[in-house]
Amino acid sequence: GNSVTQMEGPVTLSEEAFLTINCTYTATGYPSLFWYVQYPGEGLQLLLKATKADDKGSNKGFEATYRKETTSFHLEKGSVQVSDSAVYFCALTMGNTGKLIFGQGTTLQVKP
Amino acid sequence: GAGVSQSPSNKVTEKGKDVELRCDPISGHTALYWYRQSLGQGLEFLIYFQGNSAPDKSGLPSDRFSAERTGGSVSTLTIQRTQQEDSAVYLCASSRLTSGRGNEQFFGPGTRLTVL
Repeated sequence: GNSVTQMEGPVTLSEEAFLTINCTYTATGYPSLFWYVQYPGEGLQLLLKATKADDKGSNKGFEATYRKETTSFHLEKGSVQVSDSAVYFCALTMGNTGKLIFGQGTTLQVKP
Repeated sequence: GAGVSQSPSNKVTEKGKDVELRCDPISGHTALYWYRQSLGQGLEFLIYFQGNSAPDKSGLPSDRFSAERTGGSVSTLTIQRTQQEDSAVYLCASSRLTSGRGNEQFFGPGTRLTVL
């Protein structure tokens, strides 16, 4: 079946460090890929997305590139801030249903 | 308030009781989803509604779980004879469309259910 695997957390970084959160997927077709973020005390919100191979999604300094050859959608940011501390979820959808299949989430803590 | 709203925000119940959780989607959104977020299982899809089509119930964990969507808007998730393993945060999301790729889902704040 379709699934998403994320790197284990928590990830602890100092402010201005480089961030990578790995995400790989298994899918029988061509999924759309997403990163959702959950800030402390807030609801899930879309961070970025990509709908076809080689697309790059970007938002708030975060980027992720849809790599079909490695079935990956790694999240990167060049310089993290304390305000980026949150739980990050990689997810996919298949076909027309739109139902999201999530990875297990990665907690990021950024220290000043 | 243009976002997805859910009520109650917290619900504590005793094992064996029934509970109802409510979701008000964003006006005009035709698709509505329920998910569950728990420590052991992460974020799981439960059920989705799209317009007047039959709902996709493929994620419901047992027949104690049911949901309805009245008038294409408000949805209620009902859990009968609650068990301790039902304790989780229940999230509702809505989107404008499900057809096409990459439609954004907007999530509500969730209902935290605790079964004692």
